[in-house]
This record gives sequence, structure tokens and C-alpha cells, in this order.
Amino acid sequence: QQKVQQSPESLSVPEGGMASFNCTSSDRNFQYFWWYRQHSGEGPKALMSIFSDGDKKEGRFTAHLNKASLHVSLHIRDSQPSDSALYFCAASETGGADRLTFGKGTQLIIQP
Amino acid sequence: EAAVTQSPRNKVAVTGGKVTLSCNQTNNHNNMYWYRQDTGHGLRLIHYSYGAGSTEKGDIPDGYKASRPSQENFSLILELATPSQTSVYFCASGDRLGALQDTQYFGPGTRLLVL
Repeated sequence: QQKVQQSPESLSVPEGGMASFNCTSSDRNFQYFWWYRQHSGEGPKALMSIFSDGDKKEGRFTAHLNKASLHVSLHIRDSQPSDSALYFCAASETGGADRLTFGKGTQLIIQP
Repeated sequence: EAAVTQSPRNKVAVTGGKVTLSCNQTNNHNNMYWYRQDTGHGLRLIHYSYGAGSTEKGDIPDGYKASRPSQENFSLILELATPSQTSVYFCASGDRLGALQDTQYFGPGTRLLVL
């Protein structure tokens, strides 16, 4: 069973719209979460981490964590064509970014 | 920003042959990781290292060996390559400081085709 599950598999959003991604962990040891973004032909790049319940906002990106349900979400407002990419949720048992377990990813397409 | 480079960027190998993928990081990070990325599986951890001379098994280590001869370099070795090892391989580095800003920095990837 995949320990980190993401939904949806793919998402199409008009330029300027809101893109939302979901991630759930089935392992209660995973208490620390990251969101990574991967543009085609490149390696993944960290967007943000979230370790505490509630919201964390960085520019156009907002992450939300509910530790009780081990559910984390990512929202991108005012989506831009450059946001088109593969988005991964990653989880760890420790606060440092060690031994990350990744979800399968969500492909985001921004429609001009 | 952390710099991680990988070589080669593309590799074609024959079944049963030996393949060595190399990774170099210039940020003095203690930890280094090897992942493979396949459609429908996301990124899966193969081997990792906490410093020169150390290697640890990840989630899918079978068929792979790793070597960390120095702080900067981490290699992934396929002694007997098989077609099932056709994939894109990513190296990453990072520090386990327990701080909120901890993250892993990824290289550009190596595309391996085993015929």
C-alpha cells in the first residue's frame, strides 16, 4: 500500500485560477510534510514544508496540515503558466528532510 | 542554492552489463540520496548515505549498490543491469539538522535505458 497518497492524478486550471492538491498519509509515523515541484526535464525542487497544524502561506502558495487525519493540502492562487508541472507530496518521520517518502504526484496544467 | 550535478545525463546499457551513475554536490551536505522515478510510482528511495564511507539501504535496494568515497561524491552501481532498471535516476543532497528549512536538493537526473 502506498504510504503517501495524492489526488487528483492530474488537474487542469485556467490561468489566474486556483489549483488545489491533496495528500494523505496512511502511516502515523509520518508527521512532517513537504511539497515539491518538478518541471519537465528537471529534478524536483522543494516548494515548502509544513510541520504544524493549520495553514502556512508563502506568496501564492498555501499549505494546510491536519495532523489528526494526516491530511495535507496545497493551494496555488493566481495560477501562472509557469506553474504547469508535476507536484509531489513527501513525508518523513523526522523533522529533517531525511528518508522522504513521496507520493505519485499530481500533474498540473495551466490553460492560457 | 545547493548545486547537485549528475553524470552521465543519458545512458544506454546492455542487459548484464555494469552501470555506474555518478553524483557530485558542492554544498558540503552530509546526506545524499539516490531515487528512481517511474510513471505511476513517483520517486522511490534506493540508497542513501550520511557521510563519507557510509551507505544505507532505502526502500528498493535490490539490484543496486552505492558508494560514498567522499563528502562530495555518491555513486549508484548496477552490477548486472536488467531492463526493469530502465528509469530516470535522481541524486539529492541535504542536511538533517531538524530545522524547518531542511530540504533535499535534487540533481537534474540521469535517464537510463537498459536494452
